[in-house]
Amino acid sequence: GQNIDQPTEMTATEGAIVQINCTYQTSGFNGLFWYQQHAGEAPTFLSYNVLDGLEEKGRFSSFLSRSKGYSYLLLKELQMKDSASYLCAVFTNAGKSTFGDGTTLTVKP
Amino acid sequence: DTEVTQTPKHLVMGMTNKKSLKCEQHMGHRAMYWYKQKAKKPPELMFVYSYEKLSINESVPSRFSPECPNSSLLNLHLHALQPEDSALYLCASSRGGQEPQHFGDGTRLSIL
Repeated sequence: GQNIDQPTEMTATEGAIVQINCTYQTSGFNGLFWYQQHAGEAPTFLSYNVLDGLEEKGRFSSFLSRSKGYSYLLLKELQMKDSASYLCAVFTNAGKSTFGDGTTLTVKP
Repeated sequence: DTEVTQTPKHLVMGMTNKKSLKCEQHMGHRAMYWYKQKAKKPPELMFVYSYEKLSINESVPSRFSPECPNSSLLNLHLHALQPEDSALYLCASSRGGQEPQHFGDGTRLSIL
């Protein structure tokens, strides 16, 4: 089976930096993806990691440590529109994808 | 707008009805997925098609029947659904099984 943990809620200030953590325990781990989902909308792909290290895409970065079963999503220069749910999803070598429960981020002025 | 198109956007049906959800992508992706998402919960994987063949069925009840007529289309046939099946049904596609998935806007399904 798979177990994925993320904080339920986080709050941050506009212009600040926030780090959303994700820990996982899974067999056959093959990669980890981060998605953003605004209320009532479909998830949007943000970033993914297969190997250890940091992947940077503009204001968003994601880090993975396979040995520790740990990833984080880093959001810089927060904007009000970044208020959303952030989902980490683990992919296995069997082709299955499992999402964490998501972290609801609220950005305040 | 997304590159994965789902129809209809909303569907209300009775427990004895038969209906189908449709999903279409023209990105040349070879993997397509159906997810079910309840309010304030993450998407739950239902089915995976790889190269038009069903590769994963996550023990979904037989009242949900997927179909992949060609590499661009994915259907989900619904029959004799229960009220607890009311949810947002999301279709996604990816270039391969380990590639990022692109989601459609979903079909919001209500079972009366």
